[in-house]
Amino acid sequence: RKEVEQDPGPFNVPEGATVAFNCTYSNSASQSFFWYRQDCRKEPKLLMSVYSSGNEDGRFTAQLNRASQYISLLIRDSKLSDSATYLCVVKGSGGGADGLTFGKGTHLIIQP
Amino acid sequence: GAVVSQHPSWVICKSGTSVKIECRSLDFQATTMFWYRQFPKQSLMLMATSNEGSKATYEQGVEKDKFLINHASLTLSTLTVTSAHPEDSSFYICTAGTGARETQYFGPGTRLLVL
Repeated sequence: RKEVEQDPGPFNVPEGATVAFNCTYSNSASQSFFWYRQDCRKEPKLLMSVYSSGNEDGRFTAQLNRASQYISLLIRDSKLSDSATYLCVVKGSGGGADGLTFGKGTHLIIQP
Repeated sequence: GAVVSQHPSWVICKSGTSVKIECRSLDFQATTMFWYRQFPKQSLMLMATSNEGSKATYEQGVEKDKFLINHASLTLSTLTVTSAHPEDSSFYICTAGTGARETQYFGPGTRLLVL
């Protein structure tokens, strides 16, 4: 079973629409969760951290369900510039330095 | 602040040569750096954890003798791909942070193409 699973898409969405991505993770002891955005041939950029209480940043809302080991990202009023690959990222629980575990990403295409 | 650079940004080399990639934290001291690799249409995969002043910790399946990591100072980690082969062609990205649980900042990545 993959550690972080995402629907690869692509999601083709008209401009202005609302789109939601989901992600599941296998390690129940994981402690930190993030959504990253990666544009073609670029390094990932942190979009937002995900907290148990849910958090919102402008048009973006992230939710975490620890019981179901499930993370979501909602994008409202989507813009053309939102077209990118969205990576679900989990950070481990062990002592010492923990690297990030990335999902394969969900490809989003916003259409005019 | 929190800028991480990588050099070179891209490299093309012949099979059998060794390639060194540098990762630098420009405005902070990084006690921990991570090296990742991303093949086309694949997710980033952690290769190793680089700790200043100690040996790197490699992930399962990553050959430590092939991917040499040196974290000689608090601002520099290097990854050397020894005797590179075409299957080593990939996008190599480093991240740097001030501690194990601190935010990791990404370098811009290095594209390696081995002919």
